[in-house]
Amino acid sequence: AQRVTQPEKLLSVFKGAPVELKCNYSYSGSPELFWYVQYSRQRLQLLLRHISRESIKGFTADLNKGETSFHLKKPFAQEEDSAMYYCALSGWGAQKLVFGQGTRLTINP
Amino acid sequence: DVKVTQSSRYLVKRTGEKVFLECVQDMDHENMFWYRQDPGLGLRLIYFSYDVKMKEKGDIPEGYSVSREKKERFSLILESASTNQTSMYLCASSSLAGGTGELFFGEGSRLTVL
Repeated sequence: AQRVTQPEKLLSVFKGAPVELKCNYSYSGSPELFWYVQYSRQRLQLLLRHISRESIKGFTADLNKGETSFHLKKPFAQEEDSAMYYCALSGWGAQKLVFGQGTRLTINP
Repeated sequence: DVKVTQSSRYLVKRTGEKVFLECVQDMDHENMFWYRQDPGLGLRLIYFSYDVKMKEKGDIPEGYSVSREKKERFSLILESASTNQTSMYLCASSSLAGGTGELFFGEGSRLTVL
């Protein structure tokens, strides 16, 4: 079975501090991992996916198959990073995503 | 600008009523999905569809059905609404091309069942 766990419902950090949103997954096959973000009053949208290995808005995430983790990181948080973040998983080439419970990130000035 | 449009942003229904939630996408995507979004539970997949007239159950299909008569339209039906179906419902679409496609979401339909 596919499962995604985000252990922190809420995360609050100060502007300029490093941010790490945790994501652990359970999947027996080869996974594809994603981070989606929902800013206030906006649609849920893709932030990044592990196969592209990109840095988006200063965020990076590395797939660690040994620890079955895909933590989202940013070295210096900005106030505009405040949002709801969801980690998601699919089987390789599969079409549907399983989402985690979400983490609400608040960046304090 | 690609778009997924959910026809109703806010609905208030009574227990036992039949509820229709409509979703239309203009990207010619093959895949369409219905999720419900609840605090602390994240997004849970209700149903999805790979093609016209095709549907597959997601993780929480009980109490719901779907209809996909045209490629661009995917409807979620609550045959007899119950209070535990009060939630935010999100429609999404994606393309089959290139593996697991990016999901494009609608703005959501907030349903309250009294």
